[in-house]
Amino acid sequence: TQLLEQSPQFLSIQEGENLTVYCNSSSVFSSLQWYRQEPGEGPVLLVTVVTGGEVKKLKRLTFQFGDARKDSSLHITAAQPGDTGLYLCAGVNAGGTSYGKLTFGQGTILTVHP
Amino acid sequence: ETGVTQSPTHLIKTRGQQVTLRCSSQSGHNTVSWYQQALGQGPQFIFQYYREEENGRGNFPPRFSGLQFPNYSSELNVNALELDDSALYLCASRPNPGVYNEQFFGPGTRLTVL
Repeated sequence: TQLLEQSPQFLSIQEGENLTVYCNSSSVFSSLQWYRQEPGEGPVLLVTVVTGGEVKKLKRLTFQFGDARKDSSLHITAAQPGDTGLYLCAGVNAGGTSYGKLTFGQGTILTVHP
Repeated sequence: ETGVTQSPTHLIKTRGQQVTLRCSSQSGHNTVSWYQQALGQGPQFIFQYYREEENGRGNFPPRFSGLQFPNYSSELNVNALELDDSALYLCASRPNPGVYNEQFFGPGTRLTVL
């Protein structure tokens, strides 16, 4: 069974602080995605990382894929209240009968206080 | 372009009953996946449909079944409801089963089993 361990589970910080969320697995995925989910809505894709060692930036968000393609991190610089939400990492399967299946971590609930 | 829609938004059932949830995929998308998201958890893959055939399934019992119609909309049926089936059920669509295609999620159906 493929599992993604996400940490921390909860994060409460002040506006302007930096933070990092980690996503670790014992399995290799074809790619890894990060989603953000707000209450009453489905997850929305932020980024897909494919190549080991890849780094992608989305404004104040920096995403990194580990060299062995088993772990990833999301770093937010100068967090703002609008960043509040549930952040989910998801590994993408590329083989077998679950082609395209997403395996999600348990999520990180981020609260940014003004 | 209309996004993924789901109905109903909320549903309350009692243990032992049956339920049908509906999903309309985004225009041009022929692949639909269903996920179960328990409170405080990441979504878990239930199954995937491509061109009206199930082509991937997660660790869910046979009382979870589905259909995909010629217009690519989909249904999730759950028989003999149990208390643990209480969750947010998410539908996601993408243009084809290709593993690198972004999956677009609907807002979900919140099912409560009493």
